[in-house]
Amino acid sequence: EVQLVESGGGLVQPGGSLRLSCVASGFTFSSYWMSWVRQAPGKGLEWVADIKQEGSEKHYVESVKGRFTISRDNAENSLYLQMNSLRAEDTAVYFCARVNSLRYNWNDGQVVYFDYWGQGTLVTVSS
Amino acid sequence: IVLTQSPDTLSLSPGERATLSCRTSHSISGSYLAWYQQKPGQPPRLLIYGESKRATGVPDRFGATGSGTDFTLTISRLEPEDSAVYSCQQYGTSVFAFGPGTKVEIK
Repeated sequence: EVQLVESGGGLVQPGGSLRLSCVASGFTFSSYWMSWVRQAPGKGLEWVADIKQEGSEKHYVESVKGRFTISRDNAENSLYLQMNSLRAEDTAVYFCARVNSLRYNWNDGQVVYFDYWGQGTLVTVSS
Repeated sequence: IVLTQSPDTLSLSPGERATLSCRTSHSISGSYLAWYQQKPGQPPRLLIYGESKRATGVPDRFGATGSGTDFTLTISRLEPEDSAVYSCQQYGTSVFAFGPGTKVEIK
């Protein structure tokens, strides 16, 4: 059974830092892109960052570039999100999610999606 | 990529058909959508991806169609447990985007 368990959330002051962790089990962690997705209170989902299988390629949403760093440790089946210079607008539940994809040869199309999600960890940025 | 969903809220009775719309800001050739269901206090659950491929355990009353910029999620016969927020998602050139969601209420 695939499981993703996040930890590390909490209350932090504006300008502060926090490191989120996600421990994966039930699948070969090193074979998948992984991602962080967040959801502000009462709002929709927002993709934050993703990282390639061996960690060589990373992407971020514009609003967190230069402040957040995604990383992984395949030996520990763990995904991380280092969050610096936190702002009130970073307040959200942060979900760890596995990235999967399906390609259609007939039209060279593809779908890239999140097939498993953790329960999330709440980050509150407030003074 | 910007995704818009309509309506914001859909209030229907059990057994009725729900039609949820997702529109993308521009067409990404060959890029399909994924749809998620989210209930209060729970993480999103993958429902459908690609050419109406249902995720494991998703009943066949859920279906999806669409191409280009206009996509639709259909719930053919609503059940009480279908009460949730449904979000669409698309991937394009190293970024992901989600729609704001449609809330489905069961009367």
